[in-house]
Amino acid sequence: SQKIEQNSEALNIQEGKTATLTCNYTNYSPAYLQWYRQDPGRGPVFLLLIRENEKEKRKERLKVTFDTTLKQSLFHITASQPADSATYLCALDTDTGRRALTFGSGTRLQVQP
Amino acid sequence: ETGVTQTPRHLVMGMTNKKSLKCEQHLGHNAMYWYKQSAKKPLELMFVYNFKEQTENNSVPSRFSPECPNSSHLFLHLHTLQPEDSALYLCASSPEGLAGGLSYNEQFFGPGTRLTVL
Repeated sequence: SQKIEQNSEALNIQEGKTATLTCNYTNYSPAYLQWYRQDPGRGPVFLLLIRENEKEKRKERLKVTFDTTLKQSLFHITASQPADSATYLCALDTDTGRRALTFGSGTRLQVQP
Repeated sequence: ETGVTQTPRHLVMGMTNKKSLKCEQHLGHNAMYWYKQSAKKPLELMFVYNFKEQTENNSVPSRFSPECPNSSHLFLHLHTLQPEDSALYLCASSPEGLAGGLSYNEQFFGPGTRLTVL
């Protein structure tokens, strides 16, 4: 069966450290993968998109990698801050041509001051 | 703000009520979506509209009825809901676009409507 897996347990790290979140998928061949941030009671906010032919993408303190052989994406936040505390969702296009995404359940990140 | 607004932000309704959720996007996008988000579960896609035409109904019960009168507005009409329908209902929009033959599908979400069915 098709699955998108993100660590359901919260990730707690100290301010200033690098947070690394994982998104694994099975039985998909996505053309691209996206990461979103969601704060409690709010809608998700788009952060980064990485295409299947890209290994790495960066935006300020954010970095995303995409390994289509391992079927895995890693999402890094360097020099993390308490304001980075939120739930982070990965999303895949799971059917080429279908104008919709399939989301993972998200990982909650808590950055301690 | 993302340019996508939803009203109301909170709604409490009985199982026999009829209510509607409204979504409006000010981004000039042509695709709009309804998602359901329940606690501890991934976002569940409900409906997709592309250029006002419904292109996807993800096996949603008929007690949920979408309406898309134009590319900027999307409604979700609710009637005879069940308590298990209580959730955060999110609207999103995305631009039409092709990049190297792939559809580019960054989605812009509204703040959601927190629905409680008693």
